[in-house]
Amino acid sequence: KAGVTQTPRYLIKTRGQQVTLSCSPISGHRSVSWYQQTPGQGLQFLFEYFSETQRNKGNFPGRFSGRQFSNSRSEMNVSTLELGDSALYLCASSSDSNQPQHFGDGTRLSIL
Amino acid sequence: DQQVKQNSPSLSVQEGRISILNCDYTNSMFDYFLWYKKYPAEGPTFLISISSIKDKNEDGRFTVFLNKSAKHLSLHIVPSQPGDSAVYFCAAPLGNTGNQFYFGTGTSLTVIP
Repeated sequence: KAGVTQTPRYLIKTRGQQVTLSCSPISGHRSVSWYQQTPGQGLQFLFEYFSETQRNKGNFPGRFSGRQFSNSRSEMNVSTLELGDSALYLCASSSDSNQPQHFGDGTRLSIL
Repeated sequence: DQQVKQNSPSLSVQEGRISILNCDYTNSMFDYFLWYKKYPAEGPTFLISISSIKDKNEDGRFTVFLNKSAKHLSLHIVPSQPGDSAVYFCAAPLGNTGNQFYFGTGTSLTVIP
């Protein structure tokens, strides 16, 4: 069974730009969650999508948004990038609520 | 608001000895806890979980203990092996709908051969 795939693996952007990250979940998984990992902060929950609807949302500004397609693939968009957005962005999928999540290897975003 | 806390950023243990990783939480609504392991340049992988109706769950060399009154859980690895060297995160989901997980900041375990 193929795992969670995130693209791209690395990305360099400058302040003010916008970026779109992609996540393909494990086949059959309808829940896709996004996390931001920065040094010393652990994994911070961004949002979760289930059947194309945002089901949960963390405490991030509106510059962070996402969507999910009918095939469960998900994208995350960050607009007006700031230096503090430099982080590892992780996507995780699961089959149902409160089940262990399967993570992709992340997208490393660097803002110059 | 860090609802799941791992107060030890790092831990070093000799190969063959026991590794004990600790995690505290503040929200009494949490009723399910998980441990993940993360190697550099890879995403976290699920290790073991425990429901609040239990106080212990074992899987091979890994055992998780839950003390609800103290809002504390721990992961025991015995015997520790060099391949166990990784960052370990504890996590808990909040709510009955969906997957909003709270993660600790992680403990970096080094097992010395």
